[in-house]
Amino acid sequence: GQNIDQPTEMTATEGAIVQINCTYQTSGFNGLFWYQQHAGEAPTFLSYNVLDGLEEKGRFSSFLSRSKGYSYLLLKELQMKDSASYLCAVREGAGNNRKLIWGLGTSLAVNP
Amino acid sequence: KAGVTQTPRYLIKTRGQQVTLSCSPISGHRSVSWYQQTPGQGLQFLFEYFSETQRNKGNFPGRFSGRQFSNSRSEMNVSTLELGDSALYLCASSLEAARLEQYFGPGTRLTVT
Repeated sequence: GQNIDQPTEMTATEGAIVQINCTYQTSGFNGLFWYQQHAGEAPTFLSYNVLDGLEEKGRFSSFLSRSKGYSYLLLKELQMKDSASYLCAVREGAGNNRKLIWGLGTSLAVNP
Repeated sequence: KAGVTQTPRYLIKTRGQQVTLSCSPISGHRSVSWYQQTPGQGLQFLFEYFSETQRNKGNFPGRFSGRQFSNSRSEMNVSTLELGDSALYLCASSLEAARLEQYFGPGTRLTVT
């Protein structure tokens, strides 16, 4: 079956580091995405992992372990504007059968 | 380059009615995907169109349909609306079929009363 799990809510302090985990069970894994969605706005692309390891992009990093069905998004030097929902999405299948399966999102609150 | 646009932004309909939502992708993008987002279910994939052809479809009833025009603009239609269809409908476009990165529009907030 298809299943993506991520924590519902997290709280962190401005300037700190936070790690948002995502575990998945899918068939035909073909990449994992992280998106950020501010309240009332559309999701925006953060990162993409298809091979094991860490991808770093500024204050944000994303890690993937395909054998463990596990990914995390690491946010460093947290800012108030990082308060948002973070969505984990897994692409599965190939060719015309490729689909994106989305987690329910992790709502992150950054406090001063 | 202009982003993905969706019209209308807000819509109120009553049960049994039908509705058509429109999406204009980023210029040059030929792939358009539609999603339904609700607090309880998150983002649910509806369908994807590429070069006027439906490439993929999610697990929604036949009341949900869509199409894509030659200029890549896409419409989705929901017939015989139900209360449970109240949601944010998001459209996302991407280059070709690689879909490494999808660009989302602001969404259409549909309320069914």
